[in-house]
Amino acid sequence: SQQGEEDPQALSIQEGENATMNCSYKTSINNLQWYRQNSGRGLVHLILIRSNEREKHSGRLRVTLDTSKKSSSLLITASRAADTASYFCATGNTGGFKTIFGAGTRLFVKA
Amino acid sequence: DAGVIQSPRHEVTEMGQEVTLRCKPISGHNSLFWYRQTMMRGLELLIYFNNNVPIDDSGMPEDRFSAKMPNASFSTLKIQPSEPRDSAVYFCASRTGSNSGNTIYFGEGSWLTVV
Repeated sequence: SQQGEEDPQALSIQEGENATMNCSYKTSINNLQWYRQNSGRGLVHLILIRSNEREKHSGRLRVTLDTSKKSSSLLITASRAADTASYFCATGNTGGFKTIFGAGTRLFVKA
Repeated sequence: DAGVIQSPRHEVTEMGQEVTLRCKPISGHNSLFWYRQTMMRGLELLIYFNNNVPIDDSGMPEDRFSAKMPNASFSTLKIQPSEPRDSAVYFCASRTGSNSGNTIYFGEGSWLTVV
């Protein structure tokens, strides 16, 4: 079963615009990570936010976490055509080893 | 570092045949995962090894699937006999330690088509 659910399922924007993707999860977590998958490739880690953090930045990425709402968002600012990919949230259970991935958001950035 | 190495990258096989997928994790990583990705079901965790020992195989769909990790640098996922519904991308991934917060590094996947 999948822990995280992303929305929207697909997002199409113009280059230069911001892209926001959301993730909701069901149970208590220790951390939440975002991964990116280019077409035909494996997933690549982008950023991790721990359950005691509310916001984190990395370059053009901004991640927020609201544990009361069991949700997270990934914002990509000033998007580029090269950002076209699928983005997945992944949650780690408290005290455990499992990392469970959501269904992903497919982002298409038009040049 | 070479990253997680999977083989074959692509395989087309006939229903009923045995399929063996191979994985070499990143050196020094002691956790290894096998995931399956399909459009319908997304990315599913099949099995997790820690220090070469299977810790959780609850995601293995049925007895036709088996996985082994004979040493720290090699793992296999076997499907016998294969069925068309097994068609998917199979990812091997590894990380250091058993903490769910540690980054998981994925291979490029093995694209399996069963006809």
